[in-house]
Amino acid sequence: ETVLTQSPATLSLSPGERAALSCRVSDNVRSYLAWYQQKPGQAPRLLIYDASNRATGIPARFSGSGSGTDFTLTISSLEPEDFAVYYCQQRRNWPLTFGGGTKVEIK
Amino acid sequence: EVQLLESGGALVQRGGSLKLACAASGFSFINYAMGWVRQAPGKGLEWVSAISASYHVTYYADSVKGRFTISRDDSKDMLYMQMNSLGVEDTARYYCAKVRATSEWYFDYWGQGTLVTVSS
Repeated sequence: ETVLTQSPATLSLSPGERAALSCRVSDNVRSYLAWYQQKPGQAPRLLIYDASNRATGIPARFSGSGSGTDFTLTISSLEPEDFAVYYCQQRRNWPLTFGGGTKVEIK
Repeated sequence: EVQLLESGGALVQRGGSLKLACAASGFSFINYAMGWVRQAPGKGLEWVSAISASYHVTYYADSVKGRFTISRDDSKDMLYMQMNSLGVEDTARYYCAKVRATSEWYFDYWGQGTLVTVSS
């Protein structure tokens, strides 16, 4: 199966800072990668699909980039509500697979 | 407004069975693929199963293949997951999720999940 490795596991930042989250994929998935945000006690929320397209209602401070095996989710300036866990997911190959997650915590 | 409401989670003994249901509303259910994603306590997300619109083609993670069966009733806007031969490793919150678009197997709407606990 296609393995997604997210780094770092935890990112400690202050509000207003820029966050860059990495997702490395074991196979070439072209641009078929999404990012989700999950807050404690809540269901995940789709942020980015097909590597760089923002989902409906997602603020412009969230952006995605990359293709092939290396992808990045960037949050340009962290808002208090952005502290959460972020997951990547590929749809290029079955089974669908998620990364292990990156927790963005308040420094 | 899209809404997905799961039900059917419970405490069950190892080797037992359970059937999860998901009631969908706010969108044209018949036109969208659907899926189940689970999350063990304190762990990450794991895709479990999916079913297409139209021909109801089904897909499964290796960890549940042969034990779980996904189905849908388009006349009732309902998604189901029959879970057999449950093991402690199946303990998780199970989310019902809508697929974003045809052949775009991302999940753009999620329910709040239903908790399945398998005891040994």
